[in-house]
Amino acid sequence: QQQVKQSPQSLIVQKGGISIINCAYENTAFDYFPWYQQFPGKGPALLIAIRPDVSEKKEGRFTISFNKSAKQFSLHIMDSQPGDSATYFCAAEGGANNLFFGTGTRLTVIP
Amino acid sequence: NAGVMQNPRHLVRRRGQEARLRCSPMKGHSHVYWYRQLPEEGLKFMVYLQKENIIDESGMPKERFSAEFPKEGPSILRIQQVVRGDSAAYFCASSRTGHPQYFGPGTRLTVL
Repeated sequence: QQQVKQSPQSLIVQKGGISIINCAYENTAFDYFPWYQQFPGKGPALLIAIRPDVSEKKEGRFTISFNKSAKQFSLHIMDSQPGDSATYFCAAEGGANNLFFGTGTRLTVIP
Repeated sequence: NAGVMQNPRHLVRRRGQEARLRCSPMKGHSHVYWYRQLPEEGLKFMVYLQKENIIDESGMPKERFSAEFPKEGPSILRIQQVVRGDSAAYFCASSRTGHPQYFGPGTRLTVL
């Protein structure tokens, strides 16, 4: 059973465009939602994270939007660059300290 | 400040052999987590340890897999009698208080 559902599976965006990746969850006990970026052959790197008491968090070109009532959250990458091309994972955690990951979105930013 | 270290980075074993994966957490971190990633899939939680204690092993297969985090030295994930289905990338993460979790570069296990 997939605790966190992520879409799309792959995404192609023009340089300078906005990349949007969506995630949904069912378990209302989740209270911490990080996003990770992974390059081929590397470990996941923490990008940005949010708690459900805020609806939006922005760090540079990366923004998390959170909709608690809909149990959905999304990652927006503004002014996408070729160097952003990677696989992005959303995740959720709810007190047990183990993260439940989405299945990943492979982002390709074309020049 | 070194990040999470894992070794070896690549490990090749024949069916039936044992695999030992090591993880050294970031300095000051006492929480260690192991995850497994199959090709084209997300990471799946396996086990959560603190020094000398297994806190949550709900994601560990019941047989052949074990983990430890001794008082001194790295955390070890041990897979006995490996099978082809064990081929995957194994990632270790560490944290100071639970989150955020910082991941190592992973060990890519190939079972021939």
